[in-house]
Amino acid sequence: ETGVTQTPRHLVMGMTNKKSLKCEQHLGHNAMYWYKQSAKKPLELMFVYSLEERVENNSVPSRFSPECPNSSHLFLHLHTLQPEDSALYLCASSQVYYSDSPYEQYFGPGTRLTVT
Amino acid sequence: GENVEQHPSTLSVQEGDSAVIKCTYSDSASNYFPWYKQELGKGPQLIIDIRSNVGEKKDQRIAVTLNKTAKHFSLHITETQPEDSAVYFCAAPFTGTASKLTFGTGTRLQVTL
Repeated sequence: ETGVTQTPRHLVMGMTNKKSLKCEQHLGHNAMYWYKQSAKKPLELMFVYSLEERVENNSVPSRFSPECPNSSHLFLHLHTLQPEDSALYLCASSQVYYSDSPYEQYFGPGTRLTVT
Repeated sequence: GENVEQHPSTLSVQEGDSAVIKCTYSDSASNYFPWYKQELGKGPQLIIDIRSNVGEKKDQRIAVTLNKTAKHFSLHITETQPEDSAVYFCAAPFTGTASKLTFGTGTRLQVTL
């Protein structure tokens, strides 16, 4: 186990549904990330939170809405998704974000999302 | 931003043989190059990384080499074992933000008996 948990592990939702993905890290880290992993494509960084403040939004459609209520929890709220949003959504954390020296990112197991 | 290309996309080797995966990057200012391993049903996990001030780093059966002039870096796995079967990703940071990574498209390594 990496110390990063994600729930649910699998999710099937219709295009009109609203659902949320949850991520929790038990490592005492200050930065948390959401990535999208689609088949045959590189991991795509979606959002970054540093000290509970959103510091990166990589042109993600507004149907994805992140929330970071504290440094241990990260949510991704989903609404009116499209079939092309089906993918593995990975959460990660690192000790810090802003630094000249990189810190290892620890990934959760991901949520496999299918939009029907 | 950074552009990372990774080859090959799939690699099959016999147990005991060596495996090499190569990545190229575009930003000459990049100074950190991690490699992640993703097993089925799990998230990526860092297995080795290299900073730009060294040309090679080893950790048991795994090594990474860096050629800054040519802007490419490689992962070398020797004496491969079935448990090495996984998808491997290289990455490089966006300019100015060491923790913001651009990932390669991944290499699926299959080690056969």
